[in-house]
Formats: sequence, structure tokens, C-alpha cells
Amino acid sequence: EAGVTQSPTHLIKTRGQQATLRCSPISGHTSVYWYQQALGLGLQFLLWYDEGEERNRGNFPPRFSGRQFPNYSSELNVNALELEDSALYLCASSPGTWKNEQYFGPGTRLTVT
Amino acid sequence: AQTVTQSQPEMSVQEAETVTLSCTYDTSENNYYLFWYKQPPSRQMILVIRQEAYKQQNATENRFSVNFQKAAKSFSLKISDSQLGDTAMYFCAFSNTQGGSEKLVFGKGTKLTVNP
Repeated sequence: EAGVTQSPTHLIKTRGQQATLRCSPISGHTSVYWYQQALGLGLQFLLWYDEGEERNRGNFPPRFSGRQFPNYSSELNVNALELEDSALYLCASSPGTWKNEQYFGPGTRLTVT
Repeated sequence: AQTVTQSQPEMSVQEAETVTLSCTYDTSENNYYLFWYKQPPSRQMILVIRQEAYKQQNATENRFSVNFQKAAKSFSLKISDSQLGDTAMYFCAFSNTQGGSEKLVFGKGTKLTVNP
């Protein structure tokens, strides 16, 4: 069974630009979660999508947004990039709400210069 | 709000020995899930073990076991017969069981080094 996949592996952007990160969940999983792992800040919850809807959002500004497609893959968009957005962005998927188990992808390393 | 605290930023252990990583959490909920995740240097986060709060029996997965003390809000991870491949960051995480609030809340992590 294929795991969660994320693309690209690395992304380098300049301040003010937009970044788009992509995630494909494990087959059969309907929930997708996004987390930011910034140096010194640990893992912070960003967004949760389930069945195409945004279900929950972490304490991040509106320039962090995303969507989930009918095939349950997901996209995270970060507008007006700032230097402090540099981080590893992890996507996780879950088979269903009752188990609460989340399986992570390898992440996208975003560097903002 | 739920919080998770890992008080040991770094630990080391000799190969084949046993090590225990500590985790405490704070919540007003009665039902929830607790997890230990492992993030090796290659960075892929791997689920190690899972505990449901309503189950009194401690979870076990091969060499990994937990000591879940609900009243003390403590959830430690014991790794027996440590192997070099166990070298990684270990994160303790909490998840609410209530719908609409299923994010994982992570501790800051413990960097474990297994020495040959």
C-alpha cells in the first residue's frame, strides 16, 4: 500500500511570492491534515480537510489556505511569503474520524529567502 | 486547550539497553487518544504506538510499550532492546475524540541517540 506522498520535496521562494504544496493521501483515507514544523517551534497544526470541506484550522493567518479535491488529495497555498514561513510542511491522512490515527508524508521543505 | 510536555530534549542509550521517554499532557477531556511518533533523520514521521484513554491496559507494539497513568496525565514510552535504527526524534501527541477537533497536539520532542 502506497503511503502519503507530498510534492515537491524542496521549494525555494522569495519573500512576497506564493507557494503551493501538494499531498496525496493513502488510498481510502478521506481526511487530510497539514502541519508546520518550524525550527524551534515544533509541530503546529495548520488545517484539516475531510470529504472536501475544511473542518478545522490552526492559529495561522488567512494567507495560509488550502483545499481538498474530489479524489481526496490536497493542496496547501501560502500567499505573501514571509521569511518565518520557512519550515518543513507535513501532510498526514487518516482513515476515518473514529480512529484518530494519522499517517504522515515525507514533507515539503519550504525555504523563503 | 490541550498541551503536551516532553521534559527531556535529548537522551542517549546503549544498544540493547532499555530507555524510557517521558510525556505529560493537560486536558479536561475524559476520552482522547495518545500517540508516540518517531521521526528519523530522514524526516518521515512514523506512528509508533497508540493508546485510547478509556482503555486501562497499556499498549504494546513489539519492543515499544507505554506506561499510561490517566490520573497523573502521564504517557511514557519504553523502548526495550534498543537498536541503532531507533535513533530519531520522538514526539508525544494528543488527540481529542470529539468531532471537529481532531488535530494532533505535539510535544516538543525528545532526540534519542542509540550508541553502539
